[in-house]
Amino acid sequence: GQQLNQSPQSMFIQEGEDVSMNCTSSSIFNTWLWYKQEPGEGPVLLIALYKAGELTSNGRLTAQFGITRKDSFLNISASIPSDVGIYFCAGQLVPGANNLFFGTGTRLTVIP
Amino acid sequence: EAGVTQSPTHLIKTRGQQATLRCSPISGHTSVYWYQQALGLGLQFLLWYDEGEERNRGNFPPRFSGRQFPNYSSELNVNALELEDSALYLCASSLADRDYQPQHFGDGTRLSIL
Repeated sequence: GQQLNQSPQSMFIQEGEDVSMNCTSSSIFNTWLWYKQEPGEGPVLLIALYKAGELTSNGRLTAQFGITRKDSFLNISASIPSDVGIYFCAGQLVPGANNLFFGTGTRLTVIP
Repeated sequence: EAGVTQSPTHLIKTRGQQATLRCSPISGHTSVYWYQQALGLGLQFLLWYDEGEERNRGNFPPRFSGRQFPNYSSELNVNALELEDSALYLCASSLADRDYQPQHFGDGTRLSIL
């Protein structure tokens, strides 16, 4: 299947710092999404991106759909302890196929 | 509004047995998706159902199957269980796809094969 390369694999940051993670693919994606997963729970949708170049914010989170449609990044500003979790990028390859391809995740640890 | 609900939360089986996992989508959602999340790995797409029909299938053997009922709930069946089937099985639902609709996930069923 399609490979989404997500980096970094893990991050340890101090509370209050900004965080940046990204996702790249060799294929063009129609849609990019970012999810957060905490232990014992399913992924929760953070941001959905539908157009190349689109920049969307959700509170302290900002994500962009790359111009080439082969990448996306997620920024978290002023991190807080509850930001801890695993962040996954996901992409929809073609319209109508609907199934998502997921990155391998970025595990975020915030040190108070 | 209730989210996607899955049952059971945990399921323990032995090799060769069969497992049935259940999912109720968000009210109004007609599409249901199943994903497998093996330990330390990302999510792998299994199956997509919409309006009672299987619309797409991931790269999994035929012993992974499912169905969608008239009330849009869904079952995932795994036959002839193998040790490597141990994973978190996640169900997601979305509105009908005119333009792409984002998928919302349940908390999963943890399937353990002994």
